[in-house]
Amino acid sequence: AQSVTQLGSHVSVSEGALVLLRCNYSSSVPPYLFWYVQYPNQGLQLLLKYTTGATLVKGINGFEAEFKKSETSFHLTKPSAHMSDAAEYFCAVSGGATNKLIFGTGTLLAVQP
Amino acid sequence: EPEVTQTPSHQVTQMGQEVILRCVPISNHLYFYWYRQILGQKVEFLVSFYNNEISEKSEIFDDQFSVERPDGSNFTLKIRSTKLEDSAMYFCASSETLAGGPGEQFFGPGTRLTVL
Repeated sequence: AQSVTQLGSHVSVSEGALVLLRCNYSSSVPPYLFWYVQYPNQGLQLLLKYTTGATLVKGINGFEAEFKKSETSFHLTKPSAHMSDAAEYFCAVSGGATNKLIFGTGTLLAVQP
Repeated sequence: EPEVTQTPSHQVTQMGQEVILRCVPISNHLYFYWYRQILGQKVEFLVSFYNNEISEKSEIFDDQFSVERPDGSNFTLKIRSTKLEDSAMYFCASSETLAGGPGEQFFGPGTRLTVL
């Protein structure tokens, strides 16, 4: 079975500050990990993904995430927040024989001027 | 840029009525999915579809639900007799390959279903 836990349903940062959104996963098979972003009234857009290989993954809009197997984590970071980053962020896992995505509960990021 | 489209954007229906939610996946994609998100809750997998048959479904996807690819472009989700608890945002997604591989699932903007 697979699951995802996102710590912090709401995160608020100042513009220019570091963004850190936390994601921990549970998986009985090697996981594939994803971060999606959802802007208001829009669908889910893939930010980045980890499948195999390099554990530090770079995505769109300056975001990156690091797969840490020992910590079962896949935290999302961005060095400097921009107002346009305000959105809801979802971590997801898949892997093994299944192709379904298992999502976390999401983190709503607010960026203060 | 190719995108997944969904219609309608918002559907209001009476309890017990049938609804059909429509999706047009990206044209060269082979795998299709439906997810739903009840207000305030996480996005949940409903069903995946490949080669004209269901490849996986969740426990949510009971006999009231069905999916179909009626032609070469549309992918539909039918709810036979809607319940109040079916009110949710329904997302369609498609991918070129399995999500477990390098393939990315592309999501549509969603259909908000309201059951009264």
